[in-house]
Order: sequence, then C-alpha cells, then structure tokens
Amino acid sequence: DVKVTQSSRYLVKRTGEKVFLECVQDMDHENMFWYRQDPGLGLRLIYFSYDVKMKEKGDIPEGYSVSREKKERFSLILESASTNQTSMYLCASSLERRDQPQHFGDGTRLSIL
Amino acid sequence: AQSVSQHNHHVILSEAASLELGCNYSYGGTVNLFWYVQYPGQHLQLLLKYFSGDPLVKGIKGFEAEFIKSKFSFNLRKPSVQWSDTAEYFCAVNARKSSASKIIFGSGTRLSIRP
Repeated sequence: DVKVTQSSRYLVKRTGEKVFLECVQDMDHENMFWYRQDPGLGLRLIYFSYDVKMKEKGDIPEGYSVSREKKERFSLILESASTNQTSMYLCASSLERRDQPQHFGDGTRLSIL
Repeated sequence: AQSVSQHNHHVILSEAASLELGCNYSYGGTVNLFWYVQYPGQHLQLLLKYFSGDPLVKGIKGFEAEFIKSKFSFNLRKPSVQWSDTAEYFCAVNARKSSASKIIFGSGTRLSIRP
C-alpha cells in the first residue's frame, strides 16, 4: 500500500519565520503535489513536481517555494510565514499516468502566530 | 479554464436515507473523474474513479457515481447511508489535455449523518 508521510501533524510558527514542510512517499511515484485545504475552498494546488528537480506552479504559489532533490521527497517552504498561511497542508503523490489517482498524506495543520 | 462545482456545502441526512451529492465540471474535452472522501481526522482516500467505458461506476463502501457527459456531471450516490459515512466528500477532475496529472478539486461537501 502507498504510504505518503508528512513530517508533522501540527506545527506552530511565528510571523516572518522560514518554515519547512516535508513529505516522503515510498512507492517510487513520479508526481508529487502540495495543496492547502481551507474550509469552503476545497483543495488548492500550491506546487507540483513531475520529476526530480522539476517543479511547476499551481494555482496559489505566492509566498511558497518547493524543493525536490530526491524522487521520494518533496518539501514545501514558506519563505517568510504570514498569518494568512495558517491552514492545513496536504501532500500527495501519484504515478505519471493521468488516469492514476493521487495518494494523500495525513496533513500538517500549520498555525502562524 | 477547468473548474469543479459542488453545489451542496453541507448535507444532513438520517441513517438509511438515500444520498446524492452533485458535481459539475467545466471542460469540453475528455476527462478523468474522481470522488475522494475524508473521514474525520484521516487522510483523503479514493472512493471511485471514471476514465472510460460504463458511465456508472461502483466504488468502495456501496458508493456509486454516474458520468453524464451531456450534463458535465458526475454525481455521487448511495442508496442507504450509515452513520460511518459522516465525512467530507470531494469531486475532482483531470482533463487529459492538461499538464500531467494536475487534478482540480471541488470545494467539498460535508456530510453529516444523524444516528
């Protein structure tokens, strides 16, 4: 069974801090994704990656960056955290084929004070 | 641009009632369609998916969905809900001409089942 592991379930940081969210998958998936989930807004794609060192902006990339140095690991970086980035962050992975579903991690609930 | 609309934000039903959650998408080409479920405190998991063939798709836990191309719809149904179906449900679309595996999600429908 696919396992997508996010490093923290809960995280509290302060405004202006640089924040790293880590995600690891164990199924050799080509694609990895970062979403944020907010009530009433569903899942909004921040960034995704289809290969090592490759990345593409999603729908809401402002204030975020990503890193994919190894196939199994995809990091989301908040360069200078702000209170409007308080949210649930979800990582997902999938095989390259478009008919393949995504497999999600448990999420990181991030609070920026 | 692709979009997915889930019309019901919160649905409240009694046990044994029938369920239908609406999902409409906007895209003129060929699509892959998904329903995901998120139980309280758990990660999103795939409920069912449609790629081609029979437009009536059966998923896990007695759920099914019907793809109606002329209506751009992919509604989720279950004939008799249980208290354990309390969860948030997300419809998602992947347009096959778009960049690889970029899936667009709807805003979600929260389902509450009264015991």
